[in-house]
Amino acid sequence: SQTIHQWPATLVQPVGSPLSLECTVEGTSNPNLYWYRQAAGRGLQLLFYSVGIGQISSEVPQNLSASRPQDRQFILSSKKLLLSDSGFYLCALLQRGETQYFGPGTRLLVL
Amino acid sequence: GIQVEQSPPDLILQEGANSTLRCNFSDSVNNLQWFHQNPWGQLINLFYIPSGTKQNGRLSATTVATERYSLLYISSSQTTDSGVYFCAVRAGGTSYGKLTFGQGTILTVHP
Repeated sequence: SQTIHQWPATLVQPVGSPLSLECTVEGTSNPNLYWYRQAAGRGLQLLFYSVGIGQISSEVPQNLSASRPQDRQFILSSKKLLLSDSGFYLCALLQRGETQYFGPGTRLLVL
Repeated sequence: GIQVEQSPPDLILQEGANSTLRCNFSDSVNNLQWFHQNPWGQLINLFYIPSGTKQNGRLSATTVATERYSLLYISSSQTTDSGVYFCAVRAGGTSYGKLTFGQGTILTVHP
């Protein structure tokens, strides 16, 4: 079965600093991958999705970007963090075109 | 886009009680999932249920797609059932498996 790793688990960053969050998956090939953000413990918002290497679609305009340099690697980045970027970031993959599975998440606090 | 409403927003139970959580959605769907978010933030898949009824131990779910709602039943609740329960849907015609989440139901089970 598939496994989703996210790194780091927690991160505290100053406003204006860069960001790089990593998601790697095992046990599957050519998955659809997703980045979600959860603020204040309620509701998840889809930020980006990718159907293959180098293919990124953005759902909402924002200060963040995503990249997929390898089939099983999905990266969330920012050049300059804002206070509003704080939240819980979750990576997910789509299994068999039906079920989404989520990684353990990264808690980001921007001060 | 599709709207997803969950009720109640908060629910407090004594251990051993039964409960029903509801998810209403505004358009036809071809994917509906129920998740449990534990206190550490991990999203755990409960059911993939775009229609029909499924059961898994003390939990069961029913989706009536024609009436645009889904119900999650928890019987003989335990303190470990505490957390946030999310319903997520994919609207018919939506590509790439994108899910829209409800705002969740926060369940607290007291011993």
